[in-house]
Amino acid sequence: GIQVEQSPPDLILQEGANSTLRCNFSDSVNNLQWFHQNPWGQLINLFYIPSGTKQNGRLSATTVATERYSLLYISSSQTTDSGVYFCAVPGPGRRALTFGSGTRLQVQP
Amino acid sequence: NAGVMQNPRHLVRRRGQEARLRCSPMKGHSHVYWYRQLPEEGLKFMVYLQKENIIDESGMPKERFSAEFPKEGPSILRIQQVVRGDSAAYFCASSSGVAGSYNEQFFGPGTRLTVL
Repeated sequence: GIQVEQSPPDLILQEGANSTLRCNFSDSVNNLQWFHQNPWGQLINLFYIPSGTKQNGRLSATTVATERYSLLYISSSQTTDSGVYFCAVPGPGRRALTFGSGTRLQVQP
Repeated sequence: NAGVMQNPRHLVRRRGQEARLRCSPMKGHSHVYWYRQLPEEGLKFMVYLQKENIIDESGMPKERFSAEFPKEGPSILRIQQVVRGDSAAYFCASSSGVAGSYNEQFFGPGTRLTVL
């Protein structure tokens, strides 16, 4: 099946700092989703981004499908950004999502 | 506009009992997916269903686990004779069903199962 790797696995930031999270995948994909799992365990949809760039407030994401990676940018980080960020892609010909192992972000005041 | 609903949010069972987890998809969504998250791990796909049909159960353990999505009512994930290793968060997701294309999945709050 498709492999999804995320880096870095852990990240500690001071409030106000910027960061870039990376997601690599092993096969061609038609779609990709980014999620934020908050400290209460809820999964929040951030982006649905098969290709190109999207922005939502302080967050933006870029997917380069031909090179099999996606980037999530967090600018001016806040303590509420803490949690785990997952990227997920469907396998070839499938709808089921394969998740990466996540990037655990801690933003300190 | 209600999102994906799951209940119960927390479920405690003793070894050997049965667990039933329920999922109501978002309004207008006809596709349901179940995922399991073990402590400190990512989510793993279990099963994908449409109304009255199991489409993909490649991630479902072969024994003790079953899922259904009846014509009326929520989708049910059933775990028989639970063991401690079944303790996990179980998430349900739903999507719309435009034929031939992938559609964004939206997740419920999860059911946290603890097996004593």
